[in-house]
Amino acid sequence: GAGVSQSPRYKVAKRGQDVALRCDPISGHVSLFWYQQALGQGPEFLTYFQNEAQLDKSGLPSDRFFAERPEGSVSTLKIQRTQQEDSAVYLCASSLGGSSLFSNQPQHFGDGTRLSIL
Amino acid sequence: AQSVSQHNHHVILSEAASLELGCNYSYGGTVNLFWYVQYPGQHLQLLLKYFSGDPLVKGIKGFEAEFIKSKFSFNLRKPSVQWSDTAEYFCAAYGNNRLAFGKGNQVVVIP
Repeated sequence: GAGVSQSPRYKVAKRGQDVALRCDPISGHVSLFWYQQALGQGPEFLTYFQNEAQLDKSGLPSDRFFAERPEGSVSTLKIQRTQQEDSAVYLCASSLGGSSLFSNQPQHFGDGTRLSIL
Repeated sequence: AQSVSQHNHHVILSEAASLELGCNYSYGGTVNLFWYVQYPGQHLQLLLKYFSGDPLVKGIKGFEAEFIKSKFSFNLRKPSVQWSDTAEYFCAAYGNNRLAFGKGNQVVVIP
């Protein structure tokens, strides 16, 4: 399809397990973003890629969170040793421009992955 | 750090009523402003955006927003809502290389 695709849509894991969430951005989009959205809250910034370079990871809540985008297209967000507070919807967004042009390019969002940690 | 405030998290109104959702941001420098909408079961979609120029911005589906720099506000309006406007609305501000979202307004339009 033409939009941002995320998989899986739903993920249930036991506390302590590792999980990996995938994002396929819109083809040709330079910028890719991950957000965490807790219940009743707005999306919170996690990290930002420009092509394969991770330019900002200051929003990652702990060193258990790791994101990569090795070929500048698909990105994976990995959470190690999951905790109950990691339960949230994880949103991926992409935009056409690079960092210098970002502010003029709106972000296009995927449907998100709803992660539940038992 | 950039922050965005939205008030009246839950809004219930009848069809044909007017809607106004408030948004205030904290960043004092140059900022780009957005309203996103999330219809039930769908992903976030851009409703309208402000970068520069005319502070009154027209968006899709009859929505508009007014940027008032002196008040750090970017309120969303629609003169006459429809049942299909039932959704969650998020205000967002871009500054310092990141997009900050408000907590959202859950709007329910009763037919």
